[in-house]
Amino acid sequence: GIQVEQSPPDLILQEGANSTLRCNFSDSVNNLQWFHQNPWGQLINLFYIPSGTKQNGRLSATTVATERYSLLYISSSQTTDSGVYFCAVTGGFKTIFGAGTRLFVKA
Amino acid sequence: DAGVTQSPTHLIKTRGQQVTLRCSPKSGHDTVSWYQQALGQGPQFIFQYYEEEERQRGNFPDRFSGHQFPNYSSELNVNALLLGDSALYLCASSGLGRGTEAFFGQGTRLTVV
Repeated sequence: GIQVEQSPPDLILQEGANSTLRCNFSDSVNNLQWFHQNPWGQLINLFYIPSGTKQNGRLSATTVATERYSLLYISSSQTTDSGVYFCAVTGGFKTIFGAGTRLFVKA
Repeated sequence: DAGVTQSPTHLIKTRGQQVTLRCSPKSGHDTVSWYQQALGQGPQFIFQYYEEEERQRGNFPDRFSGHQFPNYSSELNVNALLLGDSALYLCASSGLGRGTEAFFGQGTRLTVV
């Protein structure tokens, strides 16, 4: 089956810093999404991005499907950005999540 | 427009019991997927329902079963509960086709004692 690797596993930032989260996947996929999981467990949709580049405020994402990776950029980080970021890819009808990147932003 | 809703939000069960979790999809969505998320891990795919049939299944035993109703809502049933079944159970809905965006409910936190 498809393997999904996220890096780094943990990240500590000072408020205002920028960061890049990476997601590598092992096979071609028909869907890729980035989520932010809040402390109560809710998965919040950040990007639906099977290919190309998208931006939403301080966040942007790029997926290079031919090279099987996706990047999530967080600029000018805020304490409210803290939490776990997941990459999820879909091959066929099955969605595989990475193990996540745990981000903590210090004030 | 209501998003994906799950019930109950929390549940405590005893080993060996059976549990049923419920999910109502986002308006306009016809596909429901279920996930199990253990503490500190990413969600694991259990199965997906479409047109009232299980369309794909992950690596979960037959103790995990489901159902989808004509209104697209879904249930997840777990029989003979084990302590290891304690987890956050997430439901996601999506529209037609393989390449559509999925939206998640708030989850049901199941504790087996």
